[in-house]
Amino acid sequence: EPEVTQTPSHQVTQMGQEVILRCVPISNHLYFYWYRQILGQKVEFLVSFYNNEISEKSEIFDDQFSVERPDGSNFTLKIRSTKLEDSAMYFCASSEAPRVGNQPQHFGDGTRLSIL
Amino acid sequence: DAKTTQPNSMESNEEEPVHLPCNHSTISGTDYIHWYRQLPSQGPEYVIHGLTSNVNNRMASLAIAEDRKSSTLILHRATLRDAAVYYCILKPYSGAGSYQLTFGKGTKLSVIP
Repeated sequence: EPEVTQTPSHQVTQMGQEVILRCVPISNHLYFYWYRQILGQKVEFLVSFYNNEISEKSEIFDDQFSVERPDGSNFTLKIRSTKLEDSAMYFCASSEAPRVGNQPQHFGDGTRLSIL
Repeated sequence: DAKTTQPNSMESNEEEPVHLPCNHSTISGTDYIHWYRQLPSQGPEYVIHGLTSNVNNRMASLAIAEDRKSSTLILHRATLRDAAVYYCILKPYSGAGSYQLTFGKGTKLSVIP
């Protein structure tokens, strides 16, 4: 069964450094998402992306965050200047175009980001 | 998204059926009811979704009340691998334009061998 893959599984970064989290969505999917989960807390939506542009973003997704689909297979999340509070699990998800019927989202197993 | 209410935790014996309830009294007529689960150290996993009629798939069944103000996820025979946090999420009909999933705290299901 096709799956969403994320790399790396664990990223350790010094505060203030830039970090790029990578995702390969399911190949025929058109919508892409990033979520995060701080340890012990709820899964929170960050951003959705369709047709090479952001379609929706949350208040968490401020100017320090950006997303990109640099080629036909990868989807990346960049944090420009990391803060301690960015430490979390980051999940990538993808779905077919959510037309009638609400296509489910398929999640990767996440990247654990630790900011020192 | 409309609010859902789930018990914080439930226990089940292995190989027994499990009924996970969800209340959504403010559901609108075009909200779909989605269920996801999150196994330890993994990302959320889609389980099932429905609108009005009961639904079955290889993972579970979804029973939706006639007034749609509540639903129940049914695992027919719990296994140790079903130990996870189960989330009930309402999603508007896609024409509403918001595709994000809003996760609550969910129900933590423990399966006893």
